[in-house]
Amino acid sequence: GQQVQQSPASLVLQEGENAELQCNFSSTATQLQWFYQSPGGSLVSLLSNPSGTKHTGRLTSTTVTKERRSSLHISSSQTTDSGTYLCAIDPGTQVVGQLTFGRGTRLQVYA
Amino acid sequence: DPKIIQKPKYLVAVTGSEKILICEQYLGHNAMYWYRQSAKKPLEFMFSYSYQKLMDNQTASSRFQPQSSKKNHLDLQITALKPDDSATYFCASSAPFRDWGVNYAEQFFGPGTRLTVL
Repeated sequence: GQQVQQSPASLVLQEGENAELQCNFSSTATQLQWFYQSPGGSLVSLLSNPSGTKHTGRLTSTTVTKERRSSLHISSSQTTDSGTYLCAIDPGTQVVGQLTFGRGTRLQVYA
Repeated sequence: DPKIIQKPKYLVAVTGSEKILICEQYLGHNAMYWYRQSAKKPLEFMFSYSYQKLMDNQTASSRFQPQSSKKNHLDLQITALKPDDSATYFCASSAPFRDWGVNYAEQFFGPGTRLTVL
């Protein structure tokens, strides 16, 4: 089955530093989403980026489909960015999307 | 206003009982899903529905039964609850778009229901 590996497992930054999160997946992906999970548990979709580069605010995602990897770059991190970042893949083999999630990168940003 | 509502936010149940988790979405989507997140595992897909029809079921146990009474509702009935069922259950929705057999749909998640089975 589809596997999603995220690295690093955890990351500690000082406010203002940049973060680079990686996602590698074992088979083709027709959909790739990055999510933010708050310490309280809610999930927010950050970016949908199955291929190429996308920007939103301080976030940049680059997905290289042939190499089965995606990255999420967070620039000028803030304490409110602290939480878990999840990568999820849809292999596109289902009639309706079935996302497979990685275990996430836990980010802690201190002032 | 929240676009995907899940009720209740927290739920405590005793072993052997039955509970229903409620999900309503107001995004105008025609596909809805259930996922589960337990302490030891990553988020896991459970069910997908499209136009109120079951499309995929990755749950091994028949104790988990989705119920769709309206097109923007997808509830989850869980019977004969066990302590291992303790987890946060997330409902999600999307507007599936198929182009050349590829699904580009972006999924949006509700706030989750945290279930504890004693």
